[in-house]
Amino acid sequence: GAVVSQHPSRVICKSGTSVKIECRSLDFQATTMFWYRQFPKQSLMLMATSNEGSKATYEQGVEKDKFLINHASLTLSTLTVTSAHPEDSSFYICSAPGTAPNTGELFFGEGSRLTVL
Amino acid sequence: AQSVTQPDIHITVSEGASLELRCNYSYGATPYLFWYVQSPGQGLQLLLKYFSGDTLVQGIKGFEAEFKRSQSSFNLRKPSVHWSDAAEYFCAVGARWAGNMLTFGGGTRLMVKP
Repeated sequence: GAVVSQHPSRVICKSGTSVKIECRSLDFQATTMFWYRQFPKQSLMLMATSNEGSKATYEQGVEKDKFLINHASLTLSTLTVTSAHPEDSSFYICSAPGTAPNTGELFFGEGSRLTVL
Repeated sequence: AQSVTQPDIHITVSEGASLELRCNYSYGATPYLFWYVQSPGQGLQLLLKYFSGDTLVQGIKGFEAEFKRSQSSFNLRKPSVHWSDAAEYFCAVGARWAGNMLTFGGGTRLMVKP
């Protein structure tokens, strides 16, 4: 099946620094990837849609200058949290469609827990 | 726009008992429907999905779900719960026009008593 991998799984950083999270599709190509954010004991909220070769599409209320997304290749999307603050602490999950486009099915990475001190 | 409601935030069942997790959706046409499971600190694993056809779908780990159009529901069931089933369960809906974009319910945390 389709495998999506995220790195790092956990990261702790100081306030004001930037953190990069990678999302890779290991055995398939993904022209689109989705980034979700999950607060403790809450559901997943879509942040943005990452598009290979073009700009990401951000959901309403998500700061594009804060959360930089780069879809550099057909197997890699990165989320950079710039000038992180404690309120950015969260669980970030990426996902990608498998080989059946437009069916709604997504494959999820393991998630990356960001803690900003 | 589509939406998903999971009425039960927490559910506790005894090991070996049956389980039903509720999911109601709002969408103008027949949606794609999914159930995902999330263990603590982990990503999401797909349990089962409904696209079309038979309204009773079978998934992994002994789970099944039934799509009921008249009730706008897609409840998840398991006849006998195992302690390893303790996790967070998310129902999700996808619109056929929106490609692979999913909207998630709030989740139901399942706890299993020995």
